Amino acid sequence: NAGVTQTPKFQVLKTGQSMTLQCAQDMNHNSMYWYRQDPGMGLRLIYYSASEGTTDKGEVPNGYNVSRLNKREFSLRLESAAPSQTSVYFCASRDRGTSGANVLTFGAGSRLTVL
Amino acid sequence: DAKTTQPNSMESNEEEPVHLPCNHSTISGTDYIHWYRQLPSQGPEYVIHGLTSNVNNRMASLAIAEDRKSSTLILHRATLRDAAVYYCILRDNSGGYQKVTFGTGTKLQVIP
Repeated sequence: NAGVTQTPKFQVLKTGQSMTLQCAQDMNHNSMYWYRQDPGMGLRLIYYSASEGTTDKGEVPNGYNVSRLNKREFSLRLESAAPSQTSVYFCASRDRGTSGANVLTFGAGSRLTVL
Repeated sequence: DAKTTQPNSMESNEEEPVHLPCNHSTISGTDYIHWYRQLPSQGPEYVIHGLTSNVNNRMASLAIAEDRKSSTLILHRATLRDAAVYYCILRDNSGGYQKVTFGTGTKLQVIP
């Protein structure tokens, strides 16, 4: 199994450009998450989707939009990129588990630089 | 929301045990303790979790204090591959990860 796949791995944008980060999971998980990680800081939740058809804001949603296209795919869109959005972005999906494990599986990350 | 406190960094010699501490004095009765680690240039990965009892798996052991206000992740024999940032988080069993705070974790350096 591939787990959680993110594309692209690297991207350089100019201020004001738009782009979409793609995320797909093949584990039949219901919940999916987008995080950003800045140097010296922990992961911060941008948006999440508890199930297909639903999305909710996390801690730092400003400047982002998301789409839960189907159960497998959860995309993150930057409509007008700003230098403050330079970061590493991680997508994750959650396994409810039968024993309450509720474990997150993360993708490898997408490194975005906004000039 | 309950938060955790971890040392910023720790060192260990290769092939020696490592005890990574985590304080969570405001933990609630329904909070699970989870540990994740992040290897360089990779996404975080799950290590272990527990509620009240000590837990073992192939990667590590988790020792939970009787009052649950602290826990310790134990790597029995550190290898160079264990050099990573280790995150201790609390997750309420009633929900997912939307209220979970990932702090800055403990950066573990393994010395050959």
